[in-house]
Amino acid sequence: SQTIHQWPATLVQPVGSPLSLECTVEGTSNPNLYWYRQAAGRGLQLLFYSVGIGQISSEVPQNLSASRPQDRQFILSSKKLLLSDSGFYLCAWKYGQGAGYGYTFGSGTRLTVV
Amino acid sequence: GENVEQHPSTLSVQEGDSAVIKCTYSDSASNYFPWYKQELGKRPQLIIDIRSNVGEKKDQRIAVTLNKTAKHFSLHITETQPEDSAVYFCAATGKLSFGAGTTVTVRA
Repeated sequence: SQTIHQWPATLVQPVGSPLSLECTVEGTSNPNLYWYRQAAGRGLQLLFYSVGIGQISSEVPQNLSASRPQDRQFILSSKKLLLSDSGFYLCAWKYGQGAGYGYTFGSGTRLTVV
Repeated sequence: GENVEQHPSTLSVQEGDSAVIKCTYSDSASNYFPWYKQELGKRPQLIIDIRSNVGEKKDQRIAVTLNKTAKHFSLHITETQPEDSAVYFCAATGKLSFGAGTTVTVRA
């Protein structure tokens, strides 16, 4: 079966520390992958998306970067976290093809920068 | 890129009444329009979607309508129940761009 995994579930990090969030999918190959951020009480902001290994598109200039070292692995990183990086980070993937595609989300990482 | 606007931002309805949320999009090439429900602290979950070759789709108490000419689509929830209380997001593709969300509260 096709599943998406995201970890950790919660994270508390000090300002200026690095960040690495991981998202992996199983049961599929060459998926389109997405990173979203949701600030408290707000909507979903698309941060990055990837259509294949090493292919990253950035939607919003910010203190974050993304990498796709393997087909089914998508990583969100930061060298130095800011207070404004706090939020709920969601990985999503596009499943299916043709007229039968859709999108599903991982369980998310709640990041608090202190 | 795609710009999706969603209204209203909050909606309070009496149990048993209907709720309607409306979205507009900017990219005429968008061809997939999902709706997600997000409960507090959880991931968004797909509740219904519609593709550009269809004008309306229904699943029990939930329906979605799409007007491609006007570039807007709507979510309709009938016979609302307390468990329908959540934040609802519309989205549109190419890249999956989301509206700002509607907080729906169903009063018992």
